[in-house]
Amino acid sequence: GAVVSQHPSWVICKSGTSVKIECRSLDFQATTMFWYRQFPKQSLMLMATSNEGSKATYEQGVEKDKFLINHASLTLSTLTVTSAHPEDSSFYICSASIGGVAYNEQFFGPGTRLTVL
Amino acid sequence: AQKITQTQPGMFVQEKEAVTLDCTYDTSDPSYGLFWYKQPSSGEMIFLIYQGSYDQQNATEGRYSLNFQKARKSANLVISASQLGDSAMYFCAMRGFLSGGYNKLIFGAGTRLAVHP
Repeated sequence: GAVVSQHPSWVICKSGTSVKIECRSLDFQATTMFWYRQFPKQSLMLMATSNEGSKATYEQGVEKDKFLINHASLTLSTLTVTSAHPEDSSFYICSASIGGVAYNEQFFGPGTRLTVL
Repeated sequence: AQKITQTQPGMFVQEKEAVTLDCTYDTSDPSYGLFWYKQPSSGEMIFLIYQGSYDQQNATEGRYSLNFQKARKSANLVISASQLGDSAMYFCAMRGFLSGGYNKLIFGAGTRLAVHP
């Protein structure tokens, strides 16, 4: 159980185009989903937190107009990188949690590798 | 502010031996959770072990154990009987329960472990 999928697993796009990445919880309902970015040989950096039906909360320094997050249902969140540029090339990972204050594990997707030419 | 520090960028261990990966943390939250994740070259984040700040005993999961020293604010991961498949990046992470954004995970810089035959 507790499987999270991401699609696509990798994508190559031209500079200036937009790319949409999907994150789905396959066998549970995720009240909260998280989007992380990981540059090569670096750690995961939280970009934003999204709750179903409400606006995402972005971390400081993350442009909300560039990284559009939609959490349309309890099983789906999407990240759209608008007008992508080479510096946006990175590994994007989503995670999902069921919610609650107690021990609350985040289940991670397999990640999406974005390369912007 | 919360912070996770992993001071070992790389470690190597002989197969079948034990290895300790260091993690120290800083938080003003009275209640928090500590996690260790493994990230192989494929990129997926694999949950290994969890320690709650009020847990009386150190967490163990198979070959993984967490050496939790609350007064020293350290949460070191011990891997016993290392296997070649343990070669990966290892991340220590912390989540606060009571501060704003309690469900956020903060990651350390990671330690790359290489297991030699």
